[in-house]
Amino acid sequence: DTGVSQDPRHKITKRGQNVTFRCDPISEHNRLYWYRQTLGQGPEFLTYFQNEAQLEKSRLLSDRFSAERPKGSFSTLEIQRTEQGDSAMYLCASSLISEYGTQYFGPGTRLTVL
Amino acid sequence: EDQVTQSPEALRLQEGESSSLNCSYTVSGLRGLFWYRQDPGKGPEFLFTLYSAGEEKEKERLKATLTKKESFLHITAPKPEDSATYLCALTGTASKLTFGTGTRLQVTL
Repeated sequence: DTGVSQDPRHKITKRGQNVTFRCDPISEHNRLYWYRQTLGQGPEFLTYFQNEAQLEKSRLLSDRFSAERPKGSFSTLEIQRTEQGDSAMYLCASSLISEYGTQYFGPGTRLTVL
Repeated sequence: EDQVTQSPEALRLQEGESSSLNCSYTVSGLRGLFWYRQDPGKGPEFLFTLYSAGEEKEKERLKATLTKKESFLHITAPKPEDSATYLCALTGTASKLTFGTGTRLQVTL
């Protein structure tokens, strides 16, 4: 399977704990995106990388959120001091620059904050 | 700010009953209009990209069309396996996708 993969698929945590999610993009893709989706809504953009450079961050992304893509391959999204409002599906997508805008999504990580 | 509005929110069809889903948008400089299919608990699955008004794309029972203000996803003779949420999204001057809230389609026997 050469699609986008995400780990873990599900995460349950207590309020105040830190969590980290991983995304492995399609191997030749140089752009990687993070989105958040709540029930009944479309995905909302959080941030994106071109190779290892983080090029854009949404105003939605508070200081408790940080993302990295250290070698331009996989990416991690960390949420510190989780709040119940952080409960959502976190989606990762990747694309080629040459196929501008055609983003392919992973299965998502479902986060539940108790 | 880029905006995408989808209608209806939910649609129930009988097998074989064709219909259309609507996506209206406002954007300064459309670079691409996208349709995705999303099954419950899964990530969006890419269906189509449309780049300019008048463009059409087809895949099996689905056909997507684009005008300067709207896109339509036409579903011909749907089957129960077409039941899903269909998401419309666009890119403008930014690289990010701006999504609508989706249309939940249910196809019954």
